[in-house]
Amino acid sequence: QKEVEQNSGPLSVPEGAIASLNCTYSDRGSQSFFWYRQYSGKSPELIMSIYSNGDKEDGRFTAQLNKASQYVSLLIRDSQPSDSATYLCAVNRARYNFNKFYFGSGTKLNVKP
Amino acid sequence: ETGVTQSPTHLIKTRGQQVTLRCSSQSGHNTVSWYQQALGQGPQFIFQYYREEENGRGNFPPRFSGLQFPNYSSELNVNALELDDSALYLCASSLVLAGVRNEQFFGPGTRLTVL
Repeated sequence: QKEVEQNSGPLSVPEGAIASLNCTYSDRGSQSFFWYRQYSGKSPELIMSIYSNGDKEDGRFTAQLNKASQYVSLLIRDSQPSDSATYLCAVNRARYNFNKFYFGSGTKLNVKP
Repeated sequence: ETGVTQSPTHLIKTRGQQVTLRCSSQSGHNTVSWYQQALGQGPQFIFQYYREEENGRGNFPPRFSGLQFPNYSSELNVNALELDDSALYLCASSLVLAGVRNEQFFGPGTRLTVL
């Protein structure tokens, strides 16, 4: 079983719609959760971090965490063509002093104009 | 604030050779982690360096080794290159400080091709 699982996609949404990206993880002791965006040929860019159950909003992005279900999601409101990228979910067991991140394989998002 | 930098951008080597990749951490950061990202996959953790010592290692053989220097920059060395080592190598830096949540920021990566 992989540490972090993501649907590879592609997930296609029309411009202006809400894109919903999901991630599950296997280690119930995980404490820290991150979403990265990676454009083709580029390196991952951190867009959200979340540590507690519930929702965390930052602009058009909302991260949701449910530790009981071992589930993390990312919602992108008012999706734009520039949001088309691969979204990587990353998980760490530590609350502080991370020394090993586990990444999913990523979900490719296509936002159609 | 200076971001994470890596060199070289691209590299082509042949099987059996050795390679050294370099990374300068973001200003104010004291920890560097290295990742290998194969095409279509997520980054795989190789190891992390903190205070010039290895501070955690993923499932990579000993021919993957590293160093961290007093200025927090780092090197990744790979000996006896294999075809499967062809990948994007990513360096990520973070600030490890007691009681402070840290986040990792990636450099642009080095694309290694092994022929």
